[in-house]
Amino acid sequence: GIQVEQSPPDLILQEGANSTLRCNFSDSVNNLQWFHQNPWGQLINLFYIPSGTKQNGRLSATTVATERYSLLYISSSQTTDSGVYFCAVVRADSGGGADGLTFGKGTHLIIQP
Amino acid sequence: SQTIHQWPATLVQPVGSPLSLECTVEGTSNPNLYWYRQAAGRGLQLLFYSVGIGQISSEVPQNLSASRPQDRQFILSSKKLLLSDSGFYLCAWRRLLTANTGELFFGEGSRLTVL
Repeated sequence: GIQVEQSPPDLILQEGANSTLRCNFSDSVNNLQWFHQNPWGQLINLFYIPSGTKQNGRLSATTVATERYSLLYISSSQTTDSGVYFCAVVRADSGGGADGLTFGKGTHLIIQP
Repeated sequence: SQTIHQWPATLVQPVGSPLSLECTVEGTSNPNLYWYRQAAGRGLQLLFYSVGIGQISSEVPQNLSASRPQDRQFILSSKKLLLSDSGFYLCAWRRLLTANTGELFFGEGSRLTVL
């Protein structure tokens, strides 16, 4: 199956700092999503971004599908940004539209006040 | 708008007891549905998915089973729980964007502890 690697695994920053989280994947994809898992375990959808660039407030994401990576940018970090950030993909030739997402292991982000 | 609900939110069960987790989706019809598990650590593992009533695909052989008795209802079950079944179980539905692509949305999760 497709491999998804996220880096760094852990990141500790001061409030106000900027950060870049990376997601590498081993095959072509037709779906890529970024999630934020809050302290209660809920997965919050951040971006659906199989290619291109999107922005939502202080967050933005870029996927370079031809080079098989995606980046999540967080600017002016706040303590509420703490949590685990997951990248998840669906392989492009997986054979059907029902295939579920394959997740990376996540980046654990801690924003200190 | 579409919503997804799971229950119970938390449960503690003895080894060997049965399990039933339920997931329902509102505001859409014939959704693709998924069960994931997040064990200790951080990774999420796909357990089952369903494209319609009575249609279940299993991704990982294990002590669990899934059923879809109604269009918007997805149930995760076990006849006899093992310690290794402990974890955080998440249900998801797919909002189709094209015939072969779509965005997944997750429920609040059910945290299972097997003692």
